[in-house]
Amino acid sequence: KAGVTQTPRYLIKTRGQQVTLSCSPISGHRSVSWYQQTPGQGLQFLFEYFSETQRNKGNFPGRFSGRQFSNSRSEMNVSTLELGDSALYLCASSSSGTILTGELFFGEGSRLTVL
Amino acid sequence: DAKTTQPPSMDCAEGRAANLPCNHSTISGNEYVYWYRQIHSQGPQYIIHGLKNNETNEMASLIITEDRKSSTLILPHATLRDTAVYYCIVRGGNSGGSNYKLTFGKGTLLTVNP
Repeated sequence: KAGVTQTPRYLIKTRGQQVTLSCSPISGHRSVSWYQQTPGQGLQFLFEYFSETQRNKGNFPGRFSGRQFSNSRSEMNVSTLELGDSALYLCASSSSGTILTGELFFGEGSRLTVL
Repeated sequence: DAKTTQPPSMDCAEGRAANLPCNHSTISGNEYVYWYRQIHSQGPQYIIHGLKNNETNEMASLIITEDRKSSTLILPHATLRDTAVYYCIVRGGNSGGSNYKLTFGKGTLLTVNP
């Protein structure tokens, strides 16, 4: 069974640009959550989607947005990029069975560098 | 969610048991203890979780103290591939159909030495 797939794996942008990251969850998983990981702040929750609805949102500015499609694939977008947005962006999925157990399946991440 | 405290780093010899401690003194009755690990430049990997009983799976064992204020993750026979950052996380059980937002702290960097 394929794992969580994130694309692109690496990308470089400049300040002021925008970026869209994609996440394909494990087949059958309807919940997708996104995390930002930086050396200074560690792993921080961005938002979570279930059946195309955002259910939770972390403490990030409105420049960070996301959505989920009917096939459970998810995208996140960061507009007006800042240097501090350089990070590893991780996507995680879970099934209805693992929501209660808290078991998340993470992708390899998309490493964004903002110059 | 309850806060956790872990040592920033630990060393372990290959083939020996690695015992990673975690303090969660403010844990409440319905909160579970989860362990994840992250190998460099990869996404975190779920290891194990428990509520109050000790748990064991193919990867590790989780020992939770009777008062639930601390726990220990045990890797019985550590290998070089177990070198990673290990995160101990405490969160409440699901309610209202909402998913979770796991709060990862700094974790413990476990280095397994040959």
